[in-house]
Amino acid sequence: DIQMTQSPSSLSASVGDRVTITCRASQTISTYLNWYQQKPGKAPNLLIYDASNLQSGVPSRFSGSGSGTDFTLTISSLQPEDSATYYCQQSYRTLRTFGQGTKLEIK
Amino acid sequence: EVQLVESGGGLIQPGGSLRLSCAASGLTVSGNYMSWVRQAPGKGLEWVSVIYSGDSTYYADSVRGRFTISRDNSKNTLYLQMNSLRAEDTAVYYCAREAGGRYRYDYWGQGTLVTVSS
Repeated sequence: DIQMTQSPSSLSASVGDRVTITCRASQTISTYLNWYQQKPGKAPNLLIYDASNLQSGVPSRFSGSGSGTDFTLTISSLQPEDSATYYCQQSYRTLRTFGQGTKLEIK
Repeated sequence: EVQLVESGGGLIQPGGSLRLSCAASGLTVSGNYMSWVRQAPGKGLEWVSVIYSGDSTYYADSVRGRFTISRDNSKNTLYLQMNSLRAEDTAVYYCAREAGGRYRYDYWGQGTLVTVSS
């Protein structure tokens, strides 16, 4: 199975900050990498697919980059509603895997 | 509008069986890749199983041999039959549609909680 490792596991940032979350795959996955946002008690919500494509309806402050094994999710100007846990997920192999999550808190 | 509505969760003793359902509207389960993803209390997301539009099925190592994914095209419903349940299967179970091309989960249900405990 492909292992997905996110860093950091948690972070705290202020409104307006630029925030970056990284995700590393245990083997190359081309750009088969998706990012999700999950708020407490809710289902995950797709933010970015194919490493850098913004899902319809998602604010443009979210962006993704990377290919191969290293990927990043960036929030250009943090908003209060961005407080959530973020997950990366690979869709390169049939047995899909998620990162362990990054909990983002607003200071 | 696409809606996925899970049901069938509850409290079950270790070793027991449970069948989860995911009723779909706005899409056809037969024409899509449909998956189950679970989340243990306070933990991250774990992929469980997928059924392809061509009927192929795949499972995570943790559930292979105990869980079975299936669908009823006439009811437009996805199922997860869970046997030999263990305490570590306790989780919220989500069904999700995996959009084609560069595969990603674009539609999710609200989840149903399965608690395995004596």
